[in-house]
Amino acid sequence: QAVVTQEPSLTVSPGGTVTLTCDSSTGAVTSGHYPYWFQQKPGQAPRTLIYDTDNKHSWTPARVSGSLLGGKAALTLSGAQPEDEADYYCLLTYGKARVFGGGTKLTVL
Amino acid sequence: EVQLVESGGGLVQPGGSLRLSCAASGFTFSNYWMSWVRQAPGKGPVWVSRIKPDGGETHYADSVKGRFTISRDNAKNTLYLQLNSLRGEDTAVYRCVGGGFDAYWGQGTLVTVSS
Repeated sequence: QAVVTQEPSLTVSPGGTVTLTCDSSTGAVTSGHYPYWFQQKPGQAPRTLIYDTDNKHSWTPARVSGSLLGGKAALTLSGAQPEDEADYYCLLTYGKARVFGGGTKLTVL
Repeated sequence: EVQLVESGGGLVQPGGSLRLSCAASGFTFSNYWMSWVRQAPGKGPVWVSRIKPDGGETHYADSVKGRFTISRDNAKNTLYLQLNSLRGEDTAVYRCVGGGFDAYWGQGTLVTVSS
């Protein structure tokens, strides 16, 4: 089974920009992995932010965007807000299987 | 309002079985792939299984293949997960996920495997 790797932790200043990445042990991440991104706050279920690389749900803040960057999936927060402090998980699809990354703990400080 | 409400969790001994249910409302359940995702305490989510809208195709993570079975009843707007041969490492909150592009998540039901 593939392993999906994310930065364990990142810190961003309020109003700053940060990019989280999602790497695959099998090689470059492509649109064919249909990357998803989820946000989870303590005690809550995850919330889906991005699907199929760069598509947003109606509740996804405009400051959040998804992309492919240097062979990885990427989630960029532009103009970070205190409420963006959370755990972020990516999900990649490998044919019939789906694999979550280990998550990035984002601190806004 | 969209709701996904899981039930059926509990304490079970190693080797035991449980059947989880997820009651869906507020969206056209029969149109969408549905999934189960589990999350052990203090850990990240792990994808478990998914099922096609008509129930005709199912996929499983290697860690549960042969032990867990996903199914659905579109007439009842309900998703199921049969858990057999349970192990300690199966202990987790189990959540159902679905709707267009995994838009909706349930709050989950806790499965504890312990003697």
